[in-house]
Amino acid sequence: QKEVEQDPGPLSVPEGAIVSLNCTYSNSAFQYFMWYRQYSRKGPELLMYTYSSGNKEDGRFTAQVDKSSKYISLFIRDSQPSDSATYLCAMSLPTGTASKLTFGTGTRLQVML
Amino acid sequence: ETGVTQTPRHLVMGMTNKKSLKCEQHLGHNAMYWYKQSAKKPLELMFVYNFKEQTENNSVPSRFSPECPNSSHLFLHLHTLQPEDSALYLCASSQDSIGYTFGSGTRLTVV
Repeated sequence: QKEVEQDPGPLSVPEGAIVSLNCTYSNSAFQYFMWYRQYSRKGPELLMYTYSSGNKEDGRFTAQVDKSSKYISLFIRDSQPSDSATYLCAMSLPTGTASKLTFGTGTRLQVML
Repeated sequence: ETGVTQTPRHLVMGMTNKKSLKCEQHLGHNAMYWYKQSAKKPLELMFVYNFKEQTENNSVPSRFSPECPNSSHLFLHLHTLQPEDSALYLCASSQDSIGYTFGSGTRLTVV
């Protein structure tokens, strides 16, 4: 079993749709949960992070963590063509400065005009 | 520009060549990392350096040799690679457990 499971997609939605991206994980010791966005030919960029359980909102983006179910989600409201990218979930243990991130495979999102 | 610069952006090398990838970070971070990204696979951690000291070698073949002369620079020396080593090699830096800043990567093709 993979430590982090993520549907690779592709996921195609019309402009303005609400997008839901999800990951499940197996290691209950993970404490930090992150979402990265990766455009074609670029490195991943940190989009949002959450510590332990709960919700976090930033503009059109909401990150949710449910530690009891080992399930994390990223919601994108009013999706735009510029949101078309690969979204990677990542998580880490609280190991101090040099943290090791465990990534999902990434979900490719296409927002259509 | 993300603050982490990787060169070259693209590299094609034969299986008998020796080449090096370079990474430089301008963020004052203490930790630097090499990751390998292949199609349809999660990012694979290769090496971790914390304050210039290697703290992690994730069972990487010896044909990949990292070097970290200081906290701002990281190299990945390559020799006698195999075609299956073709991938995007990403460098990242971090200061804490929250997340990394990645470079744009080096797209490596081994022929």
